Amino acid sequence: NAGVTQTPKFRVLKTGQSMTLLCAQDMNHEYMYWYRQDPGMGLRLIHYSVGEGTTAKGEVPDGYNVSRLKKQNFLLGLESAAPSQTSVYFCASSYLLGPSEQYFGPGTRLTVT
Amino acid sequence: DAKTTQPTSMDCAEGRAANLPCNHSTISGNEYVYWYRQIHSQGPQYIIHGLKNNETNEMASLIITEDRKSSTLILPHATLRDTAVYYCIVRSYGGATNKLIFGTGTLLAVQP
Repeated sequence: NAGVTQTPKFRVLKTGQSMTLLCAQDMNHEYMYWYRQDPGMGLRLIHYSVGEGTTAKGEVPDGYNVSRLKKQNFLLGLESAAPSQTSVYFCASSYLLGPSEQYFGPGTRLTVT
Repeated sequence: DAKTTQPTSMDCAEGRAANLPCNHSTISGNEYVYWYRQIHSQGPQYIIHGLKNNETNEMASLIITEDRKSSTLILPHATLRDTAVYYCIVRSYGGATNKLIFGTGTLLAVQP
């Protein structure tokens, strides 16, 4: 049982390049989330999904797109990376019902130059 | 979701109890209090949550005041590995998102 895994762990992009971050969970969770964390700040929600085939915007969605084609995977895409997107990205998942906790992945450190 | 107020930082001696306060004076009746922590460079880790009653698990205890306007997370015997940023989060459940709203948390430094 690996929990929540994220790929890649580190990435450096040039401005304007695109990339996709992959999140996978093996706990059969319905809900999945993408957060970003900038230095000295708490996590901010980018996008989330309440089930396969569904996605919704969080607090800071601009510049990102997401897809949830399979229940266990949640992809975060940057179509044209900007230096302001330099951050650490965390994926999380949780059960559908009840006051359940979120399980977080180890993070992806992204630098855009 | 109600906002929370936490001290920016706290120190605690190794082996002693660490008491982390959180103020949530605008909490509403269906909102839970959650605690997470984040050890440097790692993903946040769930600790405990509660609604009205005090709660205890293998990691910590959560004391919620009777008026529910504040709470305290207690780590009974702090170790160096408990050095982390601790987040107090208040949110309702059963809505469409189950999303968490993180503040800046309390940096707990456990001293040897």
